[in-house]
Order: sequence, then structure tokens, then C-alpha cells
Amino acid sequence: LAKTTQPISMDSYEGQEVNITCSHNNIATNDYITWYQQFPSQGPRFIIQGYKTKVTNEVASLFIPADRKSSTLSLPRVSLSDTAVYYCLVGAMNTGFQKLVFGTGTRLLVSP
Amino acid sequence: DTAVSQTPKYLVTQMGNDKSIKCEQNLGHDTMYWYKQDSKKFLKIMFSYNNKELIINETVPNRFSPKSPDKAHLNLHINSLELGDSAVYFCASSQEELPGTDTQYFGPGTRLTVL
Repeated sequence: LAKTTQPISMDSYEGQEVNITCSHNNIATNDYITWYQQFPSQGPRFIIQGYKTKVTNEVASLFIPADRKSSTLSLPRVSLSDTAVYYCLVGAMNTGFQKLVFGTGTRLLVSP
Repeated sequence: DTAVSQTPKYLVTQMGNDKSIKCEQNLGHDTMYWYKQDSKKFLKIMFSYNNKELIINETVPNRFSPKSPDKAHLNLHINSLELGDSAVYFCASSQEELPGTDTQYFGPGTRLTVL
């Protein structure tokens, strides 16, 4: 199983760039890395997914080093509405089964 | 047009009771899941169904049983409820058979409180 570790919380201010790192030392060859955002009383929502190097979409960037043992979610110019919990998910396969392991989540607080 | 819906949103019940939570997705996805989020906000997968076949079964008590009448529905039955079952239960779905490689769409959650 690819266990993941994230910082419990982070603080930022509006307009700043926020980088959240997830460690997954036991990531397997076939694993993808996915990040989700969760607001209170809502289900998680997909942000971005990647396998290696860098992925960018309209809301975030995902940086994955060559060894893939960690990944960094980058949120450019955060706003108050980005205050949420961010989860790192590493997809794992083991013949006949798939075991998905969510990180413990990082609570991001954006202040004015 | 809700993509993944769950009912009920809130469920309060007594210990020992049997209850069910329903989930429906209108995305045409092949795989559906149930997750449990406890008071510490840890999100843990419980079950996954692909084409009516259970493909993930984490170490959950056998009091919990998923039931999928068709590809669009995955219901969660819980027998003999215990205090520790109190949590928020999320249903999710994804298109690909290998869920780690595709986006999961989550429902709004069902907050279960066992008294």
C-alpha cells in the first residue's frame, strides 16, 4: 500500500501561491497521484491528477519529481474561497484488487 | 442535475438498528464506491463496485454490506449499528475500471449518528 503523508494544516493570505506537499515513498509503478478539495459538509472534489513531471490545469499545478516519492500541489494566487481541506490520493493496484489510499488531508486557511 | 446523489442526508438512529443509505449516479460510470469519514476527517474507502462486482473490500465489519441493483446504484446496508459507526458516509463514482487512474465524483455525504 502506498501510504501518504501531508502537513496537517497551512496558513496563507489572499493572492499568495500555496504549495502543499504529499509524501508517498512506497508509490508503485502503476500508481497515479490525484488531489481533491473538500469544503465543510461537502464531498471531495477533483482538482488535478498526474503520473510524472508536471501537470497544469485552470485551477492548479501538480509537480512530481522523477522518483515519484512525493508530489506538490500548487495553487496560484489563492483566495478566501480556497479555504478547504486538500487530500492527496495515490492509486494502487495489487493483482485483482485496487487499494486507494487517501492522505490525512491538509487544512488550508486563507486569510484576507 | 445532480451527478451523484445520496439519501438520506442525515440519519439518526439507535444502537442495534439496521439502516440503509442509498446512492445513485447519473454519469454512466462503471465503478462506484463507499467511503467513511470519521470525526477526525480521515477519509477511508470501504467498498468499490464495478459492473456489479465487488473489487475492493477493505477491512470493514461484515455488518456493512453494499448492494448494487444496477450500474447506477450502490446502496450501503448496515446491520446492528454501533456507536463507532457514527460518521459521514460518502458515495462516489468513476468511469474507469482502475479507480486510481481516473477522477472520482463524490456525493454530498450522509451524516450517520448512532445514539
